[in-house]
Amino acid sequence: DTGVSQDPRHKITKRGQNVTFRCDPISEHNRLYWYRQTLGQGPEFLTYFQNEAQLEKSRLLSDRFSAERPKGSFSTLEIQRTEQGDSAMYLCASSLGVLAGEQETQYFGPGTRLLVL
Amino acid sequence: GESVGLHLPTLSVQEGDNSIINCAYSNSASDYFIWYKQESGKGPQFIIDIRSNMDKRQGQRVTVLLNKTVKHLSLQIAATQPGDSAVYFCAESSGGFKTIFGAGTRLFVKA
Repeated sequence: DTGVSQDPRHKITKRGQNVTFRCDPISEHNRLYWYRQTLGQGPEFLTYFQNEAQLEKSRLLSDRFSAERPKGSFSTLEIQRTEQGDSAMYLCASSLGVLAGEQETQYFGPGTRLLVL
Repeated sequence: GESVGLHLPTLSVQEGDNSIINCAYSNSASDYFIWYKQESGKGPQFIIDIRSNMDKRQGQRVTVLLNKTVKHLSLQIAATQPGDSAVYFCAESSGGFKTIFGAGTRLFVKA
């Protein structure tokens, strides 16, 4: 257990429905990341927060996707009008960033597995 | 474009033997490299990292080697155990937060 938690662990939904996932990072970590992972592939970067500010979004993050981190602690990822292609594992990671531009170890949560029927 | 890949999708080793998992990267500007282990149904777990100013780093039973000349990264696991069975990902980053993962190598440890 890395200390990063995600909820729910599994979600089955019908195409067209909206879903929301939650991530609770390690408490002192100021950086939070969302990734998507499909079967047999490595995680793909979606978006990144430094405290409450969303600093980067991947082109993978269509306008149906929105992420928030309102108080700089937990984060939510919402997918609107889900499509079958959204079926994947959604992973959250957090890190303690000290120096701007320097990479630091990211600790991953267990992920939320989404199945869109 | 940027890519991080692995030479072998699966690797099977005998318990007690050493394992070597290889990775090639294409972005010469990458300055930070990480190996993650992912077990079924879990998120990736950090194993070891190395920065571009180093060519070798050792952890507990694991060693990462970085060859910047040929843009190659490897993970060596000593005395491989059944609990080491998992998918291993290499990942790279260049001067910031964005981490790019490879597709992974599945390691099977035979008892």
